[in-house]
Amino acid sequence: GENVEQHPSTLSVQEGDSAVIKCTYSDSASNYFPWYKQELGKRPQLIIDIRSNVGEKKDQRIAVTLNKTAKHFSLHITETQPEDSAVYFCAAGIDNQFYFGTGTSLTVIP
Amino acid sequence: DSGVTQTPKHLITATGQRVTLRCSPRSGDLSVYWYQQSLDQGLQFLIQYYNGEERAKGNILERFSAQQFPDLHSELNLSSLELGDSALYFCASSPSGTVYGYTFGSGTRLTVV
Repeated sequence: GENVEQHPSTLSVQEGDSAVIKCTYSDSASNYFPWYKQELGKRPQLIIDIRSNVGEKKDQRIAVTLNKTAKHFSLHITETQPEDSAVYFCAAGIDNQFYFGTGTSLTVIP
Repeated sequence: DSGVTQTPKHLITATGQRVTLRCSPRSGDLSVYWYQQSLDQGLQFLIQYYNGEERAKGNILERFSAQQFPDLHSELNLSSLELGDSALYFCASSPSGTVYGYTFGSGTRLTVV
């Protein structure tokens, strides 16, 4: 099955700085790469996703890049705000299943 | 509100007991997925059902079982509970048998004492 690795496990940034979270995957057949944000005790919520026929996607302060050759994808958050503090999960998959990374706990320091 | 409803929100039970968690998918969704999230852990996929049939199985213990009913709601049964089963259990649903359009419910927090 798919193996998704996520780094770093924890990340602290100053408010206004950028944050980058990276994931690698093992199955070259994977074609769907969502990112989820989970606040403490709450459900994971989809914040952005990308499919394998696209190299980059942006939504306001959030962007995701995908390198299919290297089998890695990244989440970029610019102009971070305290409310961006949460755990972020990447996932990689195909069709009826995807596999999650182990999560990155992001803290934005005011 | 994601449209995926999980009940109960909280559950406290003793070791050795059996519990049932319920999930109602978003209207129109045919697939239901179950996940376990232990403290400070990621999301561990347990099992998927599509239109009443088991579609994929992950790291689900033999003490755990699930089913999806004709009205598409799903139940996750956990038996012979151990302290280590304490976790958040999430259900997610998607419109088809694929992961596109996937959304999570708010979870059931299970505490085994």
